[in-house]
Amino acid sequence: ELKVEQNPLFLSMQEGKNYTIYCNYSTTSDRLYWYRQDPGKSLESLFVLLSNGAVKQEGRLMASLDTKARLSTLHITAAVHDLSATYFCAFSNTGNQFYFGTGTSLTVIP
Amino acid sequence: DTGVSQDPRHKITKRGQNVTFRCDPISEHNRLYWYRQTLGQGPEFLTYFQNEAQLEKSRLLSDRFSAERPKGSFSTLEIQRTEQGDSAMYLCASSRTVSEDIQYFGAGTRLSVL
Repeated sequence: ELKVEQNPLFLSMQEGKNYTIYCNYSTTSDRLYWYRQDPGKSLESLFVLLSNGAVKQEGRLMASLDTKARLSTLHITAAVHDLSATYFCAFSNTGNQFYFGTGTSLTVIP
Repeated sequence: DTGVSQDPRHKITKRGQNVTFRCDPISEHNRLYWYRQTLGQGPEFLTYFQNEAQLEKSRLLSDRFSAERPKGSFSTLEIQRTEQGDSAMYLCASSRTVSEDIQYFGAGTRLSVL
């Protein structure tokens, strides 16, 4: 079965703290994606990771990919309120079907 | 606005009625995807077009669902004989055929089946 597991599902963190969201996927994939969704809004692409060991950073967010472990991480550095959202990881198989995780709902509190 | 647009934004219908949604992708994008998202869940893949060809369709997709993309431009998703379980947000996304295949999502159509 093709599936994506994210943890934690809910994350409440204080401003200024660091944390990591984990994404495990069940089969080999050549592409791993991270998206952000604000309440009532659609999804916004954050990162796409194409190879083992890939690391991408944008502002306070950094994503990495370990294809051997079938694991991607999204690291948050010195969280700020504006990062409060739901974060999804997704992978695609060779058939161009995309599989999304259930999301991690992040709340950054003062 | 040059993003992905979906119409209508909201649709309320009675059980058993047919509904049709429209998606206009970003103009230079040849790939188009439909997803369904329910509260607290990630998007669930429904179907995928490259140009006008429907290349992938989820095995979970009921035969009450059909999608078209005539001429490889806009796409429609039709649900026949709607059921309460069809209530969800229906998302459309488009992308170009490049290695990264980053999908750009529309705002979605929220369907409520009464």
